[in-house]
Amino acid sequence: EIVMTQSPATLSVSPGERATLSCRASQSVRSNLAWYQQKPGQAPRLLIYGASTRATGIPARFSGSGSGTEFTLTISSLQSEDFAVYYCQQRGTFGQGTKLEIK
Amino acid sequence: EVQLVESGGGLIQPGGSLRLSCAASGFTVSSNYMSWVRQAPGKGLEWVSIIYGDGSTYYADSVKGRFTISRDNSKNTLYFQMNSPRAEDTAVYYCARSLYDSSGNDAFDVWGQGTMVTVSS
Repeated sequence: EIVMTQSPATLSVSPGERATLSCRASQSVRSNLAWYQQKPGQAPRLLIYGASTRATGIPARFSGSGSGTEFTLTISSLQSEDFAVYYCQQRGTFGQGTKLEIK
Repeated sequence: EVQLVESGGGLIQPGGSLRLSCAASGFTVSSNYMSWVRQAPGKGLEWVSIIYGDGSTYYADSVKGRFTISRDNSKNTLYFQMNSPRAEDTAVYYCARSLYDSSGNDAFDVWGQGTMVTVSS
């Protein structure tokens, strides 16, 4: 079973700054890695799939990179609506999430 | 518009039974891979079950043998039969559609709003 580990658990960043979130797989998943955003009381929203492809309607400030076991989600200039919890996912396994909070 | 709408959640006693429904619009359930994903209060996301286009089904070990995923093609609806639930099954249950790209990468691209299931006596 593949284990997905996200870091950090909580990230404090000021609006307008860049945020970098990490996800590590316990074994290679090639490029089969997705990222989701979840706000309180809402369903998750797909941001990135295939490690780097933005889903329909996702702003260009969201970008994904990596392959194998190391992946990164970058938000280039944080907007107020970006503060949320972010999950990485590979097939049937989700990471534990990173909470992105306002600094 | 592509949409998933869950229903059927509520309070259920341990050892009871409950069936969740997920009505789809804008696409055909039977032509897609459909999953149930749950989230316990204050916790992360946990995939629990999937049904493929050919009807084959798979389950997480945490629910195997107790819960059953199915679909009604005539109603374009996905179901999740929960038998003998436990307190640890308390969660918001989401249905979700899988997206597959040309490289074989997959992700959950359409989600329902979720339905809360509380298992308690």
